[in-house]
Amino acid sequence: EIVLTQSPGTLSLSPGERATLSCRASQSLSGSYLAWYQQKPGQAPRLLIYGASSRATGIPDRFSGSGSGTDFTLTISRLEPEDFAVYFCQQYDGSNPLTFGGGTKVEI
Amino acid sequence: EVQLVESGGGLVQPGRSLRLSCAGSGFSFNAYSTAWVRQAPGKGLEWVGFIRGQAYGGTTEYAASVKGRFTISRDDSRSIAYLQMNSLTVEDTAVYYCSRCAGYNMRYYFDSWGQGTLVTVSS
Repeated sequence: EIVLTQSPGTLSLSPGERATLSCRASQSLSGSYLAWYQQKPGQAPRLLIYGASSRATGIPDRFSGSGSGTDFTLTISRLEPEDFAVYFCQQYDGSNPLTFGGGTKVEI
Repeated sequence: EVQLVESGGGLVQPGRSLRLSCAGSGFSFNAYSTAWVRQAPGKGLEWVGFIRGQAYGGTTEYAASVKGRFTISRDDSRSIAYLQMNSLTVEDTAVYYCSRCAGYNMRYYFDSWGQGTLVTVSS
């Protein structure tokens, strides 16, 4: 099983600041098979990034993803008030199970 | 617009069964694989399983924690996927989301999600 470790657990920032979230895999992903999701309280997750760096439809360009192998990053260039949420990474490298990271909470 | 709507959640006693439904609309339901992902209260996301689309024969994969107890099926004529949950335990208490899978075979991420349905297992 590929374990994803997200850090930090909580990120305390202000609107307008840059957020950098990390997701580390326990073994190298053979391709860029990593996705990022945003979840707000009481809501379903929403796909932000797939293929490590491709933005999903309708996602603002302040969200960007990067990385390969075992280390991946989600960057929010300038935080907007609506960006304060929990972010999860997910690997889909081809083996069972599909796994998610534990999440990073971005708070004001 | 892609929509997924879950139903069937509720309070159930340990050891009993429950069946969840996921109705899809706004896309060719039979062409996509459908997954179930759950989230225990205050916890992270856990993949439960998925059923492949028609082109891949509608075969299924499950997480080890539910294999042998949960069964995913689909009725493409009605654009509905089901999650049959048997021998429920308190550890199965969670919000259950259905999601549309993007990608192929086991290489799936989830590009659309339903609003979720809460399953509470308690005596």
